[in-house]
Amino acid sequence: RKEVEQDPGPFNVPEGATVAFNCTYSNSASQSFFWYRQDCRKEPKLLMSVYSSGNEDGRFTAQLNRASQYISLLIRDSKLSDSATYLCVEGGSNYKLTFGKGTLLTVNP
Amino acid sequence: ETGVTQSPTHLIKTRGQQVTLRCSSQSGHNTVSWYQQALGQGPQFIFQYYREEENGRGNFPPRFSGLQFPNYSSELNVNALELDDSALYLCASSSEGTPSSDTQYFGPGTRLTVL
Repeated sequence: RKEVEQDPGPFNVPEGATVAFNCTYSNSASQSFFWYRQDCRKEPKLLMSVYSSGNEDGRFTAQLNRASQYISLLIRDSKLSDSATYLCVEGGSNYKLTFGKGTLLTVNP
Repeated sequence: ETGVTQSPTHLIKTRGQQVTLRCSSQSGHNTVSWYQQALGQGPQFIFQYYREEENGRGNFPPRFSGLQFPNYSSELNVNALELDDSALYLCASSSEGTPSSDTQYFGPGTRLTVL
């Protein structure tokens, strides 16, 4: 089983749609989780840290379910500028980040 | 912009050659991590340097090696290049030796092509 697995995608949605990304992780001892966004041929940029109580930042909501070892990211009212690859990340050990393969989102006008 | 810089931006090498990639960390950061991102994949951790010493290593062979300098900049060296080494190489800088992700800032990467 891979350490971090994401929805394979791609996702194609119209502007204004709500889209959800799901991710599972295998290391039950992991303490920290994140969502990164990566634009085509650019570096990953931190979008959100994921807290066990769930957290929200504007149109973005992240949830963590430790019992199911499951993480999600919800994007409401999608914008064209949200088009990117979304990477689920586990920061389980004290020196590395473990990334999923990423899910490509295209928001269409 | 994160303040992390990498050079060169692009590089083409042939199998068997050696390559050195460079990274300058963000001001105030003393830790540098290197990742390899193959096409269509997420970044894979190579190793991390903290205070000029290797502070953890991923599942990469010994022909991947690194250095960190007193000014916290870093180099990634790859010997005996293979076709599968073609990838985007990302450097991330952070403060201290513990990787809270919101303190890991990625540079723009070096795209290496091995022919």
